[in-house]
Amino acid sequence: RKEVEQDPGPFNVPEGATVAFNCTYSNSASQSFFWYRQDCRKEPKLLMSVYSSGNEDGRFTAQLNRASQYISLLIRDSKLSDSATYLCVVGNYGQNFVFGPGTRLSVLP
Amino acid sequence: ETGVTQTPRHLVMGMTNKKSLKCEQHLGHNAMYWYKQSAKKPLELMFVYSLEERVENNSVPSRFSPECPNSSHLFLHLHTLQPEDSALYLCASSQDLASGGIYNEQFFGPGTRLTVL
Repeated sequence: RKEVEQDPGPFNVPEGATVAFNCTYSNSASQSFFWYRQDCRKEPKLLMSVYSSGNEDGRFTAQLNRASQYISLLIRDSKLSDSATYLCVVGNYGQNFVFGPGTRLSVLP
Repeated sequence: ETGVTQTPRHLVMGMTNKKSLKCEQHLGHNAMYWYKQSAKKPLELMFVYSLEERVENNSVPSRFSPECPNSSHLFLHLHTLQPEDSALYLCASSQDLASGGIYNEQFFGPGTRLTVL
């Protein structure tokens, strides 16, 4: 089993749609969780950290379920500019940040 | 501007060449990382440095040789590469290693797109 797994995608949604991505992680000792977005041929950029109680930033909501070892990202009212690959990142005790394979989102006009 | 710069942005080299990639972070971070991203593949962690000491070498071939002369600079020395080494090489930094918590996110440089002929 891979350490971090994500919905394989791609997700093709119309503008204005709500879309949700899931990510599961295998290391129960993982301590920190993030969502990054990566545009085509660019570097990953932090979208949001994921707090234990869940958190919201505008149209984006992140949730953490430690018992089931999964993280989710909800995007409401999708915009064309949301088209990107969304990367789930898990920080493990010690050294590593582990990246998931990413889920590609295309928002269509 | 992310505060992490990488040079060169593009590099084409032959299999017998020796070249170096440079990364500099202006954020006062203690940890620095090299990642490789091949086309349509996830990021692969290559090396991790904390306070200039290498703490992770992720089974990377010896034709890749990292160097961290101080906490702001990270190099990746390349020699006798193979065509399959063509990829985007990303440098990142974070305040501390991953145990630093949810405010300890990584910042990435723009990457060096490497082509090995």
